[in-house]
Amino acid sequence: KAGVTQTPRYLIKTRGQQVTLSCSPISGHRSVSWYQQTPGQGLQFLFEYFSETQRNKGNFPGRFSGRQFSNSRSEMNVSTLELGDSALYLCASRKTLVGGGANVLTFGAGSRLTVL
Amino acid sequence: KNEVEQSPQNLTAQEGEFITINCSYSVGISALHWLQQHPGGGIVSLFMLSSGKKKHGRLIATINIQEKHSSLHITASHPRDSAVYICWMNRDDKIIFGKGTRLHILP
Repeated sequence: KAGVTQTPRYLIKTRGQQVTLSCSPISGHRSVSWYQQTPGQGLQFLFEYFSETQRNKGNFPGRFSGRQFSNSRSEMNVSTLELGDSALYLCASRKTLVGGGANVLTFGAGSRLTVL
Repeated sequence: KNEVEQSPQNLTAQEGEFITINCSYSVGISALHWLQQHPGGGIVSLFMLSSGKKKHGRLIATINIQEKHSSLHITASHPRDSAVYICWMNRDDKIIFGKGTRLHILP
């Protein structure tokens, strides 16, 4: 069974540009969540989508947005990039939002963004 | 103060040593999770704990819901256990992570 697939794996952008990252969840998983990981802040929750609806959001500015499609694939967009947005962006999928073993997250390999 | 506190932040040990990583949290939760992140960045879910203890190979995770504390133990540690170990929990539908413990096992 295919895992969580993130594309692209690496990308370099300049300040002011925007970026779109993609995440394909495990088949049957309806929840996709996004995370930012930096050396200073560790892993931080960005947002979670379930059945095409954003269910919750972390403490990030509005420049960070996302969406989920009917096939559960999700995209994350960061507009007006800043140097501090350089990070590893990870997505994870799970079957449901709550309850039992279905709550375990399966992570993708991440997209490493460098902003120059 | 972070709602999830991990200790130690960094840990270096010799191969074969017994390792303990701690995770304390400040609010009531239904479950706590442990992740392992290898140097390349890949993250693997290790355990989800609601109570008691779970074991997988040389890894043991325990949780005390009343004390709001969980521990991850590694027996007979090996250099391939070198990774960052992160605990996380759900709070108000958000996911909150500990800062992680960077473990380095020397051969």
